Amino acid sequence: QLQLQESGPGLVKPSETLSLTCSVSGGSISRNNDHWAWIRQPPGKGLEWMGCISSSGNTYYNPSLKSRIIFSVDTAKHQFSLKVTSVTATDTAVYYCAKLGGYEPDYWGQGTLVAVSS
Amino acid sequence: QTVVTQEPSVSVSPGGTVTLTCGLSSGSVSMSYYASWYQQTAGQAPRTLIYNTNTRSSEVPDRFSGAILGNNAALTITGAHADDECDYYCVLYMGSGIWMFGGGTKLTVL
Repeated sequence: QLQLQESGPGLVKPSETLSLTCSVSGGSISRNNDHWAWIRQPPGKGLEWMGCISSSGNTYYNPSLKSRIIFSVDTAKHQFSLKVTSVTATDTAVYYCAKLGGYEPDYWGQGTLVAVSS
Repeated sequence: QTVVTQEPSVSVSPGGTVTLTCGLSSGSVSMSYYASWYQQTAGQAPRTLIYNTNTRSSEVPDRFSGAILGNNAALTITGAHADDECDYYCVLYMGSGIWMFGGGTKLTVL
């Protein structure tokens, strides 16, 4: 059974860079050029699609976030990562990583809360 | 900019049938948007219910079904249970590697 686990700091200061990693276990991160997504959810609000990256490194960013986010993948470590630059309080959210199965997220991590505060 | 629309809140009686919709602020949803539906209880990650408009995910009971109804993707729950009370989200594939979530529907079973 494929499992995804997010990791990273739970607190980031305003204007700094938020960095998260998603570790994939129970399956290959590079099978069939799978795509891997980041989704976030501010407290009490809805889900926001941030974008996705293929196992070969092709990236697809939400246009509203494109100037501040960077995805990367390390197939040797079975991990993919997210960076959000110049964070503000509006970036406070639960961040989920997910695997795309065709045209939908089919496996999700449990999510990790990142707060932006001084 | 196109927005994916969902009813903010819907209620259903226990044992009743309810349909949640997923539309576009401009245009119609068709099969080519590959609509998928997610159920989220408080503090938990979303759970996939339906993908590719009408395919049930594994272990999802058949009282959950998806379809295109008119201009919208739709999730229908038949025989609503008390534990169906939670939030439901749709997501549409907009093309060019971009997906968009709806704002979510809070379902109340009362």
